[in-house]
Amino acid sequence: NAGVTQTPKFRVLKTGQSMTLLCAQDMNHEYMYWYRQDPGMGLRLIHYSVGEGTTAKGEVPDGYNVSRLKKQNFLLGLESAAPSQTSVYFCASTQQGEQYFGPGTRLTVT
Amino acid sequence: GEDVEQSLFLSVREGDSSVINCTYTDSSSTYLYWYKQEPGAGLQLLTYIFSNMDMKQDQRLTVLLNKKDKHLSLRIADTQTGDSAIYFCAENRGNQFYFGTGTSLTVIP
Repeated sequence: NAGVTQTPKFRVLKTGQSMTLLCAQDMNHEYMYWYRQDPGMGLRLIHYSVGEGTTAKGEVPDGYNVSRLKKQNFLLGLESAAPSQTSVYFCASTQQGEQYFGPGTRLTVT
Repeated sequence: GEDVEQSLFLSVREGDSSVINCTYTDSSSTYLYWYKQEPGAGLQLLTYIFSNMDMKQDQRLTVLLNKKDKHLSLRIADTQTGDSAIYFCAENRGNQFYFGTGTSLTVIP
């Protein structure tokens, strides 16, 4: 039981490039989330999903898109990366009020 | 985000108790949480309390909830150097979770 995994662990992008971050969970959780963590700002919710095929906007959704084609996977896409998207990205899944986090993806946009 | 507030830093001596405080905003939050984050790692769920409780104890951890003042605290008894980390409180509102900015706990040997 791997819990929540994220791919890749690190990435450097140039401004304007695109990429997809993958989150996978093997706990059969319905709810999945993408957060970004920036110094002094805690975690901020980007998008979330309450089940396969559904997505919803969080607090800071601009510049990001998500898809939940399979229950176990939640993808976060950056279509045209900007330096302001330099951050650590965390995925989480939730069942019955308990939220479990992945190890994070450190993204740098130059 | 969303006005869940914590102090930024706390230092304690090894063996003492640590108390980390948090104020939250939504009196209708169902659960309130404490997470621990070690350097380079994700957040680890430490404990949580249901909003109709005022205290929860789990080994060295004690959570106190004052709903009237919207105040949550985490007490760590007999603090060890391995407890050095950033601690986040969080509340849930519907399907979303809102986190404080985190309290960096330093344990002095």
